[in-house]
Amino acid sequence: QSVLSQPPSVSGSPGQRVTISCTGSTSNIGTGYDVHWYQQLPGTAPKIVIYADTNRPSGVPDRFSGSRSGTSASLAITGLQAEDEADYYCQSYDTNLSGWLFGGGTKLTVL
Amino acid sequence: EVQLVQSGAEVKKPGESLKISCKGSGYSFTSYWIGWVRQMPGKGLDWMGIVHPGDSHTRYSPSFQGQVTISADNSINTAYLQWSGLKASDTAMYYCVRRSSSSVHDWFDPWGQGTLVTVSS
Repeated sequence: QSVLSQPPSVSGSPGQRVTISCTGSTSNIGTGYDVHWYQQLPGTAPKIVIYADTNRPSGVPDRFSGSRSGTSASLAITGLQAEDEADYYCQSYDTNLSGWLFGGGTKLTVL
Repeated sequence: EVQLVQSGAEVKKPGESLKISCKGSGYSFTSYWIGWVRQMPGKGLDWMGIVHPGDSHTRYSPSFQGQVTISADNSINTAYLQWSGLKASDTAMYYCVRRSSSSVHDWFDPWGQGTLVTVSS
């Protein structure tokens, strides 16, 4: 089954660093397809924060960074701020699906 | 500014039909695929399918094939998502998205503001 697995929740205090993992398989991330990350603030549409594994769109703070290794990818947020509290989703292409796949989402709580 | 603006919230009864829309502006509408993403209440994101406004070519997620129809009218820069017989389980927020290019490595940006569809008897 084609799945991108994320932890349901992560938390951190202001100023801290948190990471969110996205674990896939050989039919998606492991094949080399790019991984992208979206931030969904409460009551709003998702917004891209990292594209093509490591790239930040203009306007996204450099506190956000992405990385990948093997069949997994990670989103890191440093210098955590209250405004970062949101749901985060990873996304990649999947050959079994012949389409795009989202992770289940991770709720980031800023303590 | 590249923008996708969706039609307003809908309340429907089971079995009714519905067509929601997504109007693109600020770019060449026929040059980019438009997709639809479902978000059920309190849940994650599900990719439904995409349409190329230039030639109306469509691709569907296996989970949504036969359940919905995606189309586009490039004369008015608008994409559509439609149902012929709604179910209570179709209750969700639906987002339209622009695919970044025409590669399997694509991401989705921007997103429309969402259309809330409520199906209840």
